[in-house]
Amino acid sequence: QSVLTQVSSVSGTPGQRVTISCSGSNSNIGNNYIYWYQQVAGTAPKLLIYRNNQRPSGVPDRFSGSGSGTSASLAISGLRSEDEAVYHCAAWDDTLSGWVFGGGTELTVL
Amino acid sequence: QIQLVQSGTEVKKPGASVRVSCKTSGYTFTSYAMTWMRQAPGQGLEWLGLIRPYNGYTQYSQKLQDRVIMTTDTSTSTAYMELRGLRSDDTAVYYCASCSGYDCLKWDYFDSWGQGTLVTVSS
Repeated sequence: QSVLTQVSSVSGTPGQRVTISCSGSNSNIGNNYIYWYQQVAGTAPKLLIYRNNQRPSGVPDRFSGSGSGTSASLAISGLRSEDEAVYHCAAWDDTLSGWVFGGGTELTVL
Repeated sequence: QIQLVQSGTEVKKPGASVRVSCKTSGYTFTSYAMTWMRQAPGQGLEWLGLIRPYNGYTQYSQKLQDRVIMTTDTSTSTAYMELRGLRSDDTAVYYCASCSGYDCLKWDYFDSWGQGTLVTVSS
């Protein structure tokens, strides 16, 4: 059972915009930064969004992060086949004094 | 470029211990914390803990703090994660990841990852 809550799967067609949500509590998302990691099948996760809405160099601006209260969202616009992956949200938890993750959302591009 | 190369697949019996290594290159090992995560089959990521190579400070997840030990060898820029008292639900891919800062706390992130090490626990 993950501390952060994500829907298990979403899907979209090429060119479409999809959003992936992540829900937590005041001890994690409500008080700290949210991070998003992309994991293509059979590979290690890769940083996608840091500190709520910042993109590392090399990450297309089709990816954007936002948040409000104890929830956060990752939006992917202009969906492409190479975006098929599992997306994980993460945040520091003040009560647990450690990092917590969501269960991951699998994105399928139809 | 930054590289984190982990040791190979392990198969262990219940009750045994496993040690996974993570050899780094391409950056100053002692300047950034190292963290460990695992991913059970079909599951999400789970944070195991962090270590600051500069002074050996460790911080473990509450769930595993009695069974996990993280160490580093600064002479070889290698981090180690040992898990004791293995159970079947420890079966997972274990990842090391370098942090963006010295502390690896709430404002940091995991910016370089190892390739993962599969640990299977089975009688």
